Amino acid sequence: EVQLVESGGGLVKPGGSLKLSCAASGFTFSSYAMSWVRQSPEKRLEWVAEISSGGSYTYYPDTVTGRFPISRDNAKNTLYLEMSSLRSEDTAMYYCARRGGSSLGYAMDYWGQGTSVTVSS
Amino acid sequence: QIVLTQSPAIMSASLGEEITLTCSASSSVSYMHWYQQKSGTSPKLLIYSTSNLASGVPSRFSGSGSGTFYSLTISSVEAEDAADYYCHQWSSYPCTFGAGTKLELK
Repeated sequence: EVQLVESGGGLVKPGGSLKLSCAASGFTFSSYAMSWVRQSPEKRLEWVAEISSGGSYTYYPDTVTGRFPISRDNAKNTLYLEMSSLRSEDTAMYYCARRGGSSLGYAMDYWGQGTSVTVSS
Repeated sequence: QIVLTQSPAIMSASLGEEITLTCSASSSVSYMHWYQQKSGTSPKLLIYSTSNLASGVPSRFSGSGSGTFYSLTISSVEAEDAADYYCHQWSSYPCTFGAGTKLELK
């Protein structure tokens, strides 16, 4: 059974930093690209970062470029998101999601339960 | 970036009713994915590549569309279908999501 379990969220002050982790199990982690997606309190979904299966390529939207580097440790089956210079608008539930293969049109076929990040003074 | 506009924002339906949710893209996309999110849970893949049901999804769900207009249809709404539904495109970076349609049961 595919499982993605996020951790590392919490309350942080503006300008602060946080590192999220996502532990994967039930599939060959090193074979899949992975993403982080956040959901605002208003329930809007926003893609935050993507990393290729081997970790060589990373992609970001302009809203977080440079602030939220994504990384992975395939030996530990773990995905990371290092968040810095946090702003109030970064407050959200953060999900890790597996990007399915070409047979699924690269849709996000599995999502974790999420970890909550609140940026407030 | 490609903006996805979903309508309606809220859909109120009766049990057994057929409903259609729509997703309009600001530029042409190759295909659309749809996710279902029930209260207190994470999004779940419902339909991929416009019209393919994800594993375990009931056949009352269907998807169609092309170019800039896509839709999700539930042929006979059941109580368990109450949820938020989001469309999602990854034809170009950044991938984007619609704002969602909330399906409520009358």
